[in-house]
Amino acid sequence: AQKITQTQPGMFVQEKEAVTLDCTYDTSDQSYGLFWYKQPSSGEMIFLIYQGSYDEQNATEGRYSLNFQKARKSANLVISASQLGDSAMYFCAMRELDSNYQLIWGAGTKLIIKP
Amino acid sequence: GAVVSQHPSWVICKSGTSVKIECRSLDFQATTMFWYRQFPKQSLMLMATSNEGSKATYEQGVEKDKFLINHASLTLSTLTVTSAHPEDSSFYICSALQGVSGRARQETQYFGPGTRLLVL
Repeated sequence: AQKITQTQPGMFVQEKEAVTLDCTYDTSDQSYGLFWYKQPSSGEMIFLIYQGSYDEQNATEGRYSLNFQKARKSANLVISASQLGDSAMYFCAMRELDSNYQLIWGAGTKLIIKP
Repeated sequence: GAVVSQHPSWVICKSGTSVKIECRSLDFQATTMFWYRQFPKQSLMLMATSNEGSKATYEQGVEKDKFLINHASLTLSTLTVTSAHPEDSSFYICSALQGVSGRARQETQYFGPGTRLLVL
């Protein structure tokens, strides 16, 4: 079974609209971390946001927020007021306890912002 | 902060030659770095975990004699693709692990810009 599932291979969103990128995960660990990265066409992986499994509040970083629903095992990324520069691949990743800091990656979602 | 550089960004080489890729953490020390390979339209595939001062840990299916990793200092890890062949052509990207002061377990991987390797 896949540990990280991103069900949206691609999304088109109008500029200035909010967008939600889905991510569900599967783990039996109680302690784990969830990450979102952005990969523009240049190839660099840019860290966006982190959510710890014990964090009581949803993480926020500027226009990025993470809708963390622990019981549903989902960690959706919300981008508010989308911009043309948000067009990129977005990857959800999880780090489990005792994983030697390795990340388990989702397949990614290609987001295209339309002007 | 948390800037990672990678050099070269592009390399084209002949089959049979060796290619060295450098990964540097510029503004922090990283005892652990990771090397990934990414095929077009796919996610990252972890090749190996590089720990400063010790041997790298390779993932299953990755030839350690072909992909030599050296992590000689807290800011530099190198990946050498030995006797490169066309099937080694790919996008190679490294990351360096940075801890977050006061936030246990929030160590985050910061990535370099990647290296595109083309073996002719």
